[in-house]
Amino acid sequence: GAVVSQHPSWVICKSGTSVKIECRSLDFQATTMFWYRQFPKQSLMLMATSNEGSKATYEQGVEKDKFLINHASLTLSTLTVTSAHPEDSSFYICSASYSTGSYEQYFGPGTRLTVT
Amino acid sequence: KQEVTQIPAALSVPEGENLVLNCSFTDSAIYNLQWFRQDPGKGLTSLLLIQSSQREQTSGRLNASLDKSSGRSTLYIAASQPGDSATYLCAVRTGANNLFFGTGTRLTVIP
Repeated sequence: GAVVSQHPSWVICKSGTSVKIECRSLDFQATTMFWYRQFPKQSLMLMATSNEGSKATYEQGVEKDKFLINHASLTLSTLTVTSAHPEDSSFYICSASYSTGSYEQYFGPGTRLTVT
Repeated sequence: KQEVTQIPAALSVPEGENLVLNCSFTDSAIYNLQWFRQDPGKGLTSLLLIQSSQREQTSGRLNASLDKSSGRSTLYIAASQPGDSATYLCAVRTGANNLFFGTGTRLTVIP
């Protein structure tokens, strides 16, 4: 149980275009979803936290107008990278949690974004 | 702000050897600590989760310990195998939505 999927697994786009990444909780309802970014050989950095039906909370230094997050349902969150640039190339990982004592996050397989 | 450090950054061992990965954190007020495995270009696989009230957790050849007062955790891998080669991340949770990741240890087990 507690499976999280991401789509696509990898994407290549041209500079200036927008890319949407989906994160789905397949077998549970996720009250909270998280988006992380990971640069090569670095650890995960939290970008934003979102609760279903409300606006996402962005971490300091993350541009909310560039990284649009929508959490429309308890099983789906989307991250849209708008006007992508090569420096946005990274590995994006989502996670989801439901309210339990441990608040454990279940991670998706990640999406590799390459902006040319 | 919580800072999580992992030492060493990289480790190579021959197959069959026992090994220890280290994780330290600056703020001992944690909710729990979790060890993950990440294969290249892949997502995270949860290995062990230790609640703040626990001292250790075991799963197969893996044993994780937690010393909250000193801000340290170790992941012990017994009888290492080439399939254990991956990056190991520790993460501490300080609240419902606050999970801080370490820098990772890249393990290579040589056949």
